[in-house]
Amino acid sequence: EAGVAQSPRYKIIEKRQSVAFWCNPISGHATLYWYQQILGQGPKLLIQFQNNGVVDDSQLPKDRFSAERLKGVDSTLKIQPAKLEDSAVYLCASSPGGGYTFGSGTRLTVV
Amino acid sequence: GENVEQHPSTLSVQEGDSAVIKCTYSDSASNYFPWYKQELGKRPQLIIDIRSNVGEKKDQRIAVTLNKTAKHFSLHITETQPEDSAVYFCAAGAGFQKLVFGTGTRLLVSP
Repeated sequence: EAGVAQSPRYKIIEKRQSVAFWCNPISGHATLYWYQQILGQGPKLLIQFQNNGVVDDSQLPKDRFSAERLKGVDSTLKIQPAKLEDSAVYLCASSPGGGYTFGSGTRLTVV
Repeated sequence: GENVEQHPSTLSVQEGDSAVIKCTYSDSASNYFPWYKQELGKRPQLIIDIRSNVGEKKDQRIAVTLNKTAKHFSLHITETQPEDSAVYFCAAGAGFQKLVFGTGTRLLVSP
């Protein structure tokens, strides 16, 4: 079974620039999550999709973050404009219900 | 919403000793409690999980116990080995809803 694919693995941008991350979940997994993991902390949910609909985006900073999951498969997360405090690993996870499988994450550094 | 507390934040043991990590949760609706292991620079990986209809689950050297009344659950690792060194996260969730993660425990197993 192929895992959750994410790209890019690393990204360095200057503050106020924009950036986009991509995630392709495990085939057949209806639920997709984006988490933000700041160094030394546990993952924090940004947004949850069920198929192509948003279930929970209560912790997504909507003034700068956006996400979509067209056709209910892969998903993109965008930050515009980026701030220094957005430096973190962005983890995508998918689930058929219950346990998650995480992707390798995108490590974002904002300088 | 759900709040998960985890302790200790760091745990150092000698090889062969046992290690115990404890978590408490706040939402009585939570019914799914996974544990993830995250090695440096890698994705969190599910190592064991338990549902609220079970009090204990064991998989070789790893066990998880759940006390629904007290709203706490624990990870037990016996006969620890250096390769068990990592950060361990507990999480809690309900059904198909999001998982809320603890802050992590850094386990160091010394040879």
